[in-house]
Amino acid sequence: NAGVTQTPKFQVLKTGQSMTLQCAQDMNHEYMSWYRQDPGMGLRLIHYSVGAGITDQGEVPNGYNVSRSTTEDFPLRLLSAAPSQTSVYFCASSYLQGAGGYGYTFGSGTRLTVV
Amino acid sequence: DAKTTQPTSMDCAEGRAANLPCNHSTISGNEYVYWYRQIHSQGPQYIIHGLKNNETNEMASLIITEDRKSSTLILPHATLRDTAVYYCIVRAGGGADGLTFGKGTHLIIQP
Repeated sequence: NAGVTQTPKFQVLKTGQSMTLQCAQDMNHEYMSWYRQDPGMGLRLIHYSVGAGITDQGEVPNGYNVSRSTTEDFPLRLLSAAPSQTSVYFCASSYLQGAGGYGYTFGSGTRLTVV
Repeated sequence: DAKTTQPTSMDCAEGRAANLPCNHSTISGNEYVYWYRQIHSQGPQYIIHGLKNNETNEMASLIITEDRKSSTLILPHATLRDTAVYYCIVRAGGGADGLTFGKGTHLIIQP
């Protein structure tokens, strides 16, 4: 049971380049989400998904695309990277938040620098 | 989701109990109190959550006041590895709109 696995751990991009941040979980969680964390700030939600084929926008979705073709994977795409997207990106998963509530499991993060 | 207020930072001696307070005076009846922590450069880690009863697990205890307007996370025997930013988050049990992270409390365990 690996939990939530994010790759790569570090990445440097040039402005305008595209890339995909990978996120995979092996806990059969229906819910997956992406956050970004800027220096000295809390995490902000980018996109989330409640199941395969279903995605929705969070607080800061601009510049990012997502898709959910399987329960296990939830990749985050940057189509044209900008310096403002320099951040640490975290993927999180959980069971759907039923009445009892569940904790989220977070990955270890991808540190992205756009120059 | 209800707003939470936490102290910016706290110190605790190694081996002692660390008590982290959180105020959530506007909490609604269907909202849970969640605690997460983030050790430097790592992803946040879920600690515990509760609705109105006190809760305990292998990591910590959560004490919620009877009026539910505040809570305290207790780490019974703090170690240096417990140095982290601790986030108190209030949200409803249902919904998929994610977690709202504030600034949290930076807990420093002193040797």
